[in-house]
Amino acid sequence: KQEVTQIPAALSVPEGENLVLNCSFTDSAIYNLQWFRQDPGKGLTSLLLIQSSQREQTSGRLNASLDKSSGRSTLYIAASQPGDSATYLCAVHSGGGADGLTFGKGTHLIIQP
Amino acid sequence: DGGITQSPKYLFRKEGQNVTLSCEQNLNHDAMYWYRQDPGQGLRLIYYSQIVNDFQKGDIAEGYSVSREKKESFPLTVTSAQKNPTAFYLCASRIGRNSGNTIYFGEGSWLTVV
Repeated sequence: KQEVTQIPAALSVPEGENLVLNCSFTDSAIYNLQWFRQDPGKGLTSLLLIQSSQREQTSGRLNASLDKSSGRSTLYIAASQPGDSATYLCAVHSGGGADGLTFGKGTHLIIQP
Repeated sequence: DGGITQSPKYLFRKEGQNVTLSCEQNLNHDAMYWYRQDPGQGLRLIYYSQIVNDFQKGDIAEGYSVSREKKESFPLTVTSAQKNPTAFYLCASRIGRNSGNTIYFGEGSWLTVV
């Protein structure tokens, strides 16, 4: 059974810092991995989708990498801003289960002005 | 604009009452999903549907029911058999179950038992 772990569970950093969020998964046989952002009381917004054949994806100040063999993905946020404060979740699509998706519990990020 | 619309945003349920959460999408997606999110927990799958008039139980289907009479609509009913229904409910859709495409989410509905 696929398991997804996100470390740290919470993170607070000053504005302007570069930071890395981690996501690890136990079964490397995946189709893709997706990073989401969730604001309080809101739905999930897709940030980046990395296919199993890809090493990384970039969107603006965000860069996500994937090392399938080691079961790890990182989300790098450059020059953090207070508006980046949210919970970040990763989800692994590995084909198991009813929907093939396994979600991590998220990293709650606070960017201090 | 294309997207997923959930309603109502907030809903209160009395003991023994059934309530229905609405989910409508105009993305022309075949697959639709209902998830439950509890504080500090990951998302858990309640039900999913890959095509009209077909749906399957997820990991925590007990106490819930769904229908898929139209491609764009996938309502979730929380029945009185669900003993702990207070949670945040998220509807999602995707082009196909085993595709490499993005899954999209609605804004969620809060259900509270009073």
